[in-house]
Amino acid sequence: TQLLEQSPQFLSIQEGENLTVYCNSSSVFSSLQWYRQEPGEGPVLLVTVVTGGEVKKLKRLTFQFGDARKDSSLHITAAQPGDTGLYLCAGMAYKYIFGTGTRLKVLA
Amino acid sequence: ETGVTQSPTHLIKTRGQQVTLRCSSQSGHNTVSWYQQALGQGPQFIFQYYREEENGRGNFPPRFSGLQFPNYSSELNVNALELDDSALYLCASSRQTGREETQYFGPGTRLLVL
Repeated sequence: TQLLEQSPQFLSIQEGENLTVYCNSSSVFSSLQWYRQEPGEGPVLLVTVVTGGEVKKLKRLTFQFGDARKDSSLHITAAQPGDTGLYLCAGMAYKYIFGTGTRLKVLA
Repeated sequence: ETGVTQSPTHLIKTRGQQVTLRCSSQSGHNTVSWYQQALGQGPQFIFQYYREEENGRGNFPPRFSGLQFPNYSSELNVNALELDDSALYLCASSRQTGREETQYFGPGTRLLVL
């Protein structure tokens, strides 16, 4: 069974702090995506990474795909209250496998 | 706003009943996937439809079935509802761009089975 484990599960930080969320698996994925989900809504795609070692930046968010395409990280610089939400990674095998999620709360 | 809509938004059923959930995809997206998201967990893949045919299935029993229609709408049917079927059901339509597939999720239908 393919599993994607995310850590930490919960994170509560002050505005302006930096944070990193990790997504780990023993399986290799052809691509990996990061989503953010807010209450009452479906997940919204943030980024897709497809090449081992790839780094993508989206404003204050930096995404990295591991060299072996088994893990990924999301780093947020100077977090803001608007970053609050559930962050999900999803690896693509023959289907999308979603991680367990990281619930982030940024306090003003 | 993803352009993907789902109905109803909320639904309450009792154990043993049957339910049909609906999804309207973005025009031109010929792939739709359905997911079950239990409280506090990530979405679990139920199945995917491509051009009106099932194109992959997760670890869900046959009482979970689906349909996709030519007008980019689709349905998820669940028979003989169980208490554990209580969850948020998400549909996602997608298109492929090179090596990347972009999924657009609807807001979900929250199902409560009593």
